[in-house]
Amino acid sequence: AQKITQTQPGMFVQEKEAVTLDCTYDTSDQSYGLFWYKQPSSGEMIFLIYQGSYDEQNATEGRYSLNFQKARKSANLVISASQLGDSAMYFCASSSGSARQLTFGSGTQLTVLP
Amino acid sequence: GAGVSQSPRYKVAKRGQDVALRCDPISGHVSLFWYQQALGQGPEFLTYFQNEAQLDKSGLPSDRFFAERPEGSVSTLKIQRTQQEDSAVYLCASSWGFSHTGELFFGEGSRLTVL
Repeated sequence: AQKITQTQPGMFVQEKEAVTLDCTYDTSDQSYGLFWYKQPSSGEMIFLIYQGSYDEQNATEGRYSLNFQKARKSANLVISASQLGDSAMYFCASSSGSARQLTFGSGTQLTVLP
Repeated sequence: GAGVSQSPRYKVAKRGQDVALRCDPISGHVSLFWYQQALGQGPEFLTYFQNEAQLDKSGLPSDRFFAERPEGSVSTLKIQRTQQEDSAVYLCASSWGFSHTGELFFGEGSRLTVL
């Protein structure tokens, strides 16, 4: 079984600043994937970034980067140069070879302040 | 359409009624998932299809929940004799392949309110 823990129910960041959203995971599988999704108030889950367990380099996608620390089982999302449109709920999720479905954390509500 | 389409977007049901929620995945996507998202929580897995085969239904909370994908495309999630605890957003997601590394594309969800 997999478990995702997001310990920050809410976060605030000033516009144009960087912010880190925490995520730790627990899995017994050797091969797994880690994902971050953004869910604005409209409800749709928007894919942000993916990290494979065997990837040696941290994933980056534009202003998003994933700080992958395998030994600590953490997969924090870093958003650089925050924008007002980044205000949303952010979910960390994992999948593994033994379970195709994603297991989600409880989410972090990010608010970007002008 | 280009994305995953779900209908209805909103559904209000009286306790005891049956409801059916539809998901139209991205054309050609092999894998289809249903998730249930309670207010303020992360989505929780309900069931998974690979083409028309339902390979995993371990997340369905009771035998009142039933899902099908008869032709390997459109899927329907049916909830019989709805109860108040069924109130949630039901999300459908699809992906190209079978690998756990594949990105899932989500629909906007169907919000079910049971009175």
